[in-house]
Amino acid sequence: DTAVSQTPKYLVTQMGNDKSIKCEQNLGHDTMYWYKQDSKKFLKIMFSYNNKELIINETVPNRFSPKSPDKAHLNLHINSLELGDSAVYFCASSQPGTVNSPLHFGNGTRLTVT
Amino acid sequence: AQKVTQAQTEISVVEKEDVTLDCVYETRDTTYYLFWYKQPPSGELVFLIRRNSFDEQNEISGRYSWNFQKSTSSFNFTITASQVVDSAVYFCALSEGETGANNLFFGTGTRLTVIP
Repeated sequence: DTAVSQTPKYLVTQMGNDKSIKCEQNLGHDTMYWYKQDSKKFLKIMFSYNNKELIINETVPNRFSPKSPDKAHLNLHINSLELGDSAVYFCASSQPGTVNSPLHFGNGTRLTVT
Repeated sequence: AQKVTQAQTEISVVEKEDVTLDCVYETRDTTYYLFWYKQPPSGELVFLIRRNSFDEQNEISGRYSWNFQKSTSSFNFTITASQVVDSAVYFCALSEGETGANNLFFGTGTRLTVIP
């Protein structure tokens, strides 16, 4: 029943490891996003995909690679994790152009790099 | 330049008081959308309202009301008769362009604490 679901909810890992966060939406939306929320609660977009195509790629280290196998999924893979990657990562989806279509966020993945 | 400014970092009120959260935005687009999201202690982001740049009518939803004023580039949020469950971080956000939901620019959030 969940509209935007992301897994895992918590992820604790060591520096240098590679990890993935998965996101799925069942709203039929065409556009999906990854946002990062840092320790000061600041939310910033990382990537945006529309129908599996990358449309926004903010200044993010290339250790971060999004992958969209279909328009309902947008996964985030992170290579060579660093301490500064510790944050909460939110997946979201929307249907741009539709009246009253806000971003629907997942519940977030808290990544802790030790 | 910061597109969305929430000057109040933290606010504390006693239960049943009214509280207004300020939001000032900056854009050169004539078409844009403004949003408020709530992030309770559990961490999820909850959509509260979306308003387009052509609709300056104020909106009321229960104890929540929003005051959109283009003349001052503000989109303030008032909670009437606050309750402990209102304690959360509130984010104002801006989306530019006609599609209305691409690339939200978030403010830095206002942490509201309602004291019983």
